[in-house]
Amino acid sequence: QQKVQQSPESLIVPEGGMASLNCTSSDRNVDYFWWYRQHSGKSPKMLMSIFSNGEKEEGRFTVHLNKASLHTSLHIRDSQPSDSALYLCAASGGSALGRLHFGAGTQLIVIP
Amino acid sequence: EAAVTQSPRNKVTVTGGNVTLSCRQTNSHNYMYWYRQDTGHGLRLIHYSYGAGNLQIGDVPDGYKATRTTQEDFFLLLELASPSQTSLYFCASSLTGNTEVFFGKGTRLTVV
Repeated sequence: QQKVQQSPESLIVPEGGMASLNCTSSDRNVDYFWWYRQHSGKSPKMLMSIFSNGEKEEGRFTVHLNKASLHTSLHIRDSQPSDSALYLCAASGGSALGRLHFGAGTQLIVIP
Repeated sequence: EAAVTQSPRNKVTVTGGNVTLSCRQTNSHNYMYWYRQDTGHGLRLIHYSYGAGNLQIGDVPDGYKATRTTQEDFFLLLELASPSQTSLYFCASSLTGNTEVFFGKGTRLTVV
């Protein structure tokens, strides 16, 4: 069983809409959460990271973290077709230093 | 931007064959990783290293060996390739175990 669970598996939103992606770790040792984005045929690239409880905003992207429940979410407002990609959540830290565990990903499709 | 170079980019081998995947990073990063990516599983960690001569076992190590010969170079060895090892392999590097991970462009391996 994967230590990082993502939902939904796939998500279709209209251009200009809000996309909300979820991620939960089952490993209570993790301290750091990451969101990576992978466009089709490309390698993953880090989108955002969050290490403390609360919210972090960068442009159209907002990440939330609740460390007590080991849950993070990524919200994309004013979604654009160029946002269509596989979004991968990852967790690391604690006794698992260096072991970055990824979820299976959420495939986001933004329809023009 | 951080540079991670993988070779070859594509490889076809027969069942039982030997394969070596190569990775070089020029970022002066301490950590290097080998992941495989399969639909429905996200990225799964095979082996990783935090310095020349060091090797750590990942989550799916069976059938794989790895060697970190220098700070820059990390190799993945499949000594008796099997069709189940057909996958997209990514090499990656990071400065520490809890910093951004930079990925290479990937090697698509097919075992027939």
